[in-house]
Amino acid sequence: SAVISQKPSRDICQRGTSLTIQCQVDSQVTMMFWYRQQPGQSLTLIATANQGSEATYESGFVIDKFPISRPNLTFSTLTVSNMSPEDSSIYLCSLAGAYQETQYFGPGTRLLVL
Amino acid sequence: AQTVTQSQPEMSVQEAETVTLSCTYDTSENNYYLFWYKQPPSRQMILVIRQEAYKQQNATENRFSVNFQKAAKSFSLKISDSQLGDTAMYFCALSRAGGTSYGKLTFGQGTILTVHP
Repeated sequence: SAVISQKPSRDICQRGTSLTIQCQVDSQVTMMFWYRQQPGQSLTLIATANQGSEATYESGFVIDKFPISRPNLTFSTLTVSNMSPEDSSIYLCSLAGAYQETQYFGPGTRLLVL
Repeated sequence: AQTVTQSQPEMSVQEAETVTLSCTYDTSENNYYLFWYKQPPSRQMILVIRQEAYKQQNATENRFSVNFQKAAKSFSLKISDSQLGDTAMYFCALSRAGGTSYGKLTFGQGTILTVHP
């Protein structure tokens, strides 16, 4: 399986600021995704990061709040904009495996907004 | 829309014993994949086992096996010879095998499993 890294691993941010999370993969992959896991909850898909085009967002998530970039097949960023305490979550990037039927996850970014 | 339901918020088992975690799902697709992921306190999501819907044979990975009942839309995970390191949150998940939702995972609510010495 691919090696996935995320930066930062955790952060504490002030209300109203923005944070950009990076996801790096050690091999080229077609499908990359961003998930959110709120405290004590399951994972919810935010968007699909598309290489060379705009991300595809799920219902309830918008580009102005969660802008995503994917400049190449090994790297993506997720920005959490104008943060509020409700944005405190773990944010995880994932990618589809070699045959695109299995998803592997990065270690996650634990965000606390004060 | 796809849904995944885990009806057991918490389970516990004694070390070396066997435990089964339940999962039911709903999808209108004929081709899909089902997964069990483990999330220990580190929060890393670890793939435990995968099942292709078109395969009738139940998947097995060492001490982990599934009971896949396609008609009943049931996908339970059996952990044999439970170990202390199995203590974690377990998520059942579903993804379509094609179309615009290809690769997107829908997760259940999770089951916290505690293995007691």
